Amino acid sequence: KQEVTQIPAALSVPEGENLVLNCSFTDSAIYNLQWFRQDPGKGLTSLLLIQSSQREQTSGRLNASLDKSSGRSTLYIAASQPGDSATYLCAVPSSNTGKLIFGQGTTLQVKP
Amino acid sequence: GAGVSQSPSNKVTEKGKDVELRCDPISGHTALYWYRQSLGQGLEFLIYFQGNSAPDKSGLPSDRFSAERTGGSVSTLTIQRTQQEDSAVYLCASSLSSQGISSGANVLTFGAGSRLTVL
Repeated sequence: KQEVTQIPAALSVPEGENLVLNCSFTDSAIYNLQWFRQDPGKGLTSLLLIQSSQREQTSGRLNASLDKSSGRSTLYIAASQPGDSATYLCAVPSSNTGKLIFGQGTTLQVKP
Repeated sequence: GAGVSQSPSNKVTEKGKDVELRCDPISGHTALYWYRQSLGQGLEFLIYFQGNSAPDKSGLPSDRFSAERTGGSVSTLTIQRTQQEDSAVYLCASSLSSQGISSGANVLTFGAGSRLTVL
């Protein structure tokens, strides 16, 4: 059974710092891995999707890497801003049908 | 519509009452998913629809939970005889199709959720 774990559960950093969020999964036979952002009281917004054949994906100040063999992904946020404050979730599909297995999330606070 | 719409946004009910949560997916999206987000439990899959049929309802916690979808559009999640442990945010998502998720061809778009509090 696939399990997804995120560390740390919470993170507080001063504005401008570079930071790394970690995601690990127990079954390396994944199709892809997706990072989401969730603001309080809002739904999930997809940030990056990495296919199993890819090593990393970049979007602006965000860079996500994937190491299938070790069952790990990292989300790197460069030059963090207060607007980056949110909960970040990673997820992998359990099959080809969109049923996603989520980690419990990392709640990030970026202080001005 | 432009996005996935869920109602009500907040629902407070008494233990033992029935509740209905509604999801209006993006127009043209044939696949619809229900997830539950509980404190300390993270986000868990409940059920998904492809059209009006539900190929996977393995995540429904008990027989008090049911969902239906009509006309390939709006879906209703019903919880009967609510219990305090049902308190959570219920999230709905839709995608163009339930197939091809592995290729990234169909990305899920989530609604803002319905927060259910059972007193």
